Amino acid sequence: DAGVIQSPRHEVTEMGQEVTLRCKPISGHDYLFWYRQTMMRGLELLIYFNNNVPIDDSGMPEDRFSAKMPNASFSTLKIQPSEPRDSAVYFCASRRDSYGVLTFGAGSRLTVL
Amino acid sequence: GQQVMQIPQYQHVQEGEDFTTYCNSSTTLSNIQWYKQRPGGHPVFLIQLVKSGEVKKQKRLTFQFGEAKKNSSLHITATQTTDVGTYFCAGRPGANNLFFGTGTRLTVIP
Repeated sequence: DAGVIQSPRHEVTEMGQEVTLRCKPISGHDYLFWYRQTMMRGLELLIYFNNNVPIDDSGMPEDRFSAKMPNASFSTLKIQPSEPRDSAVYFCASRRDSYGVLTFGAGSRLTVL
Repeated sequence: GQQVMQIPQYQHVQEGEDFTTYCNSSTTLSNIQWYKQRPGGHPVFLIQLVKSGEVKKQKRLTFQFGEAKKNSSLHITATQTTDVGTYFCAGRPGANNLFFGTGTRLTVIP
């Protein structure tokens, strides 16, 4: 298994631009999570899906952030418009079932200038 | 709300010295997981503890889950440079999400 695959690995963009981060979870994993990591705030859960349905999006910072999971093998996290304070590493992780362990992707490092 | 705190935030040790990080939850946990993140990398699962008072070992790493299932510790004996990274605990209060601790960043000085 190739693990959780994220793209892009690095993104540098200007303030106001739209950013789309992508994730392919491990096949057979029912849960998908989006995390954001910064030095100041650590590892924050943004949103998670169960069987492609968003379950808890209380961690999404504001309306500029949106996430979708159109099918079991693909999810996106979109930021529109982006701001410098959105600069962070965004991790996608998947889990087989309710009590499984998380497998993280390599992350997408976002820099908003 | 649910909080999982870790101490210390940073730890510098000389190679060969021992290292311990502590994790404390404000509520009882059904289980706790530990992850390691190498510099520039992503968190990688190390172990899961489920039972009250449980102790598990992985070579030089010893993991403990408190009797009240509110705290946990990770102890590394005789650290090596390969142990460098940030260690996170992640607690689960029931069947809900994992709440990640703040992490302990370990530096090992050769």
